[in-house]
Amino acid sequence: KAGVTQTPRYLIKTRGQQVTLSCSPISGHRSVSWYQQTPGQGLQFLFEYFSETQRNKGNFPGRFSGRQFSNSRSEMNVSTLELGDSALYLCASSYSSNTEAFFGQGTRLTVV
Amino acid sequence: KQEVTQIPAALSVPEGENLVLNCSFTDSAIYNLQWFRQDPGKGLTSLLLIQSSQREQTSGRLNASLDKSSGRSTLYIAASQPGDSATYLCAVKGEGETSGSRLTFGEGTQLTVNP
Repeated sequence: KAGVTQTPRYLIKTRGQQVTLSCSPISGHRSVSWYQQTPGQGLQFLFEYFSETQRNKGNFPGRFSGRQFSNSRSEMNVSTLELGDSALYLCASSYSSNTEAFFGQGTRLTVV
Repeated sequence: KQEVTQIPAALSVPEGENLVLNCSFTDSAIYNLQWFRQDPGKGLTSLLLIQSSQREQTSGRLNASLDKSSGRSTLYIAASQPGDSATYLCAVKGEGETSGSRLTFGEGTQLTVNP
């Protein structure tokens, strides 16, 4: 079966712009989580959506937001981009909160 | 707050060696622990998932153990190959509804297997 799909794979944006990233989970998976990965901070949890509701949120500013649609696909949005937002953004899906998590290939965001 | 530590940060071994990667966590109230592999610039590939009630899991040349009470897990790789070169990450999922699917990750161990 198809894995977790993230689009686009690469993005270059200018400071102050906004960006939307997309994640399609494995079919049947209801939980989608987002992580930011940077060389200095490692993998940090952004937020999780389950059945269209945000269930958990990490320690990121309000510029980072997300949503989940009825088909479990999720989007995350970053507004007013800063240079420090340059990172690999990873999406993970799982059937429920206590089952194995599967990750997508990530979206590499570069802010210039 | 859960903290996950992985030792060593980097490891270089000759092909064929057996090796052990270590992971420790500060809060033993975990539901499960998962080991991942990450190739440069890529996403994470799940290797093994150990539930808190389990002591170990095996997949091919990989064996992961979990000692929940002491807050430790090890990933054993037998007969290492150059294709095993990657960064290995462990992640824990906390107990309780408030944790949801949130994983707390270690910094990873960068493994290089030399031909």
